[in-house]
Amino acid sequence: QKEVEQDPGPLSVPEGAIVSLNCTYSNSAFQYFMWYRQYSRKGPELLMYTYSSGNKEDGRFTAQVDKSSKYISLFIRDSQPSDSATYLCAMSAEAAGNKLTFGGGTRVLVKP
Amino acid sequence: SQTIHQWPATLVQPVGSPLSLECTVEGTSNPNLYWYRQAAGRGLQLLFYSVGIGQISSEVPQNLSASRPQDRQFILSSKKLLLSDSGFYLCAWSNPGAINTIYFGEGSWLTVV
Repeated sequence: QKEVEQDPGPLSVPEGAIVSLNCTYSNSAFQYFMWYRQYSRKGPELLMYTYSSGNKEDGRFTAQVDKSSKYISLFIRDSQPSDSATYLCAMSAEAAGNKLTFGGGTRVLVKP
Repeated sequence: SQTIHQWPATLVQPVGSPLSLECTVEGTSNPNLYWYRQAAGRGLQLLFYSVGIGQISSEVPQNLSASRPQDRQFILSSKKLLLSDSGFYLCAWSNPGAINTIYFGEGSWLTVV
C-alpha cells in the first residue's frame, strides 16, 4: 500500500464547475499538507499548504485536512480551462526533516 | 525574488553514457536543495537532498550521484546511464527549516535510448 493515495483521473468537468480533489494517507505523523499544480512538461507549482487539521481558502482554492480520517481535499471553484493540469498532494511529518511524500497526481480537464 | 534555473531542459542519451544535470538558485542564501525524479504517470520520488555545501543525503540507492560544489549549485550525475533512468528530473529548493514550502524548477526530460 502506498503511503499517499491519489486517484490518477482524468477528472473532466465543464467550465465553471467545482473541481473536487482528494488524497488519503496512512502515516498519522504527517502534519504539513500541500497541493501542487503541474502543467504538462513543467515543474510543479505550490498552490497551498496547511498545517494540521482545518480549512484554508485562497481565492478560488480551498484546502481541507481531516487528520482523523487521514484525508485531505482541494476544491477549485468556478473552474477555468487554465485550471487543466495535474494536481499533486504532498505531505510531511515534522520529524521527517525536509522530505515530502507525494501522491501520484490527479489529472484535471476543464472543458470550455 | 528567488529563482531557480535547471538545464538542459531536454536530452536524449544512449545507454552507458554519462549524465550531468545542473541547477542553480538565485536570490537566497544557504537553501536546502533537492533532486526529484518523476516517472511517467507516477509521483515524485526524492533522490537527493542537501542542507549545505558538500552535504548530500541519498534517498534511493542507484547509479546516480549528486554534488553541491557551491552554496546555490546542485548537480545530478551518472557515470553510466541505464534505460530505467529515463524520466523527468526536477531540482527544487526551500528555505532552511521550511518543510512546507518547496519550490521546483522547470525540469529536465531525460530519455535513455
